[in-house]
Amino acid sequence: GQQLNQSPQSMFIQEGEDVSMNCTSSSIFNTWLWYKQEPGEGPVLLIALYKAGELTSNGRLTAQFGITRKDSFLNISASIPSDVGIYFCAGQSHGANSKLTFGKGITLSVRP
Amino acid sequence: DAGVIQSPRHEVTEMGQEVTLRCKPISGHDYLFWYRQTMMRGLELLIYFNNNVPIDDSGMPEDRFSAKMPNASFSTLKIQPSEPRDSAVYFCASSFSVTNEQFFGPGTRLTVL
Repeated sequence: GQQLNQSPQSMFIQEGEDVSMNCTSSSIFNTWLWYKQEPGEGPVLLIALYKAGELTSNGRLTAQFGITRKDSFLNISASIPSDVGIYFCAGQSHGANSKLTFGKGITLSVRP
Repeated sequence: DAGVIQSPRHEVTEMGQEVTLRCKPISGHDYLFWYRQTMMRGLELLIYFNNNVPIDDSGMPEDRFSAKMPNASFSTLKIQPSEPRDSAVYFCASSFSVTNEQFFGPGTRLTVL
């Protein structure tokens, strides 16, 4: 089946630093999504990308849909302590009943 | 809107017992999804419904798992009999359509002893 690869499993950065996360797939997706999960909560959508090459920002977050449609990245600039959490990428193909495939997530820690 | 509501938030049970997890989707959402999250396998889609009808249950691990959606505002995921390897966080999510944003509930943390 389709799989999304996110690595490393954990990242540790200093407050104020920028961080970049990558997500790759062996399959083509038509939609790429980035979610954040905080402890004890469900994932929350951060950014959705619908077109190859698309670059979208949401505050300090920027994400891009790779040209090959097999990858995406998420950048967080000027990190703050509340950025801690698990960041998931998810891909979706077209089709009436297509479903999301999630990566295993990257746990981000921010040192004050 | 209260968002997706799940109950219970935590469930501890013994192996062999029946477990029922509950979900109330966001009003007006036609799609409901059940996911399981573990450290080893991440987030896995178990089953999803469209207008109360199961569309894809290929992620349901085995016959011990069953899901129902008797009406637009309620769904259950049942495990009978439960096993220790079923221990995980189970999420319910809902959306307007299969391609729209999925809104997740807070999850049910299940521990099977």
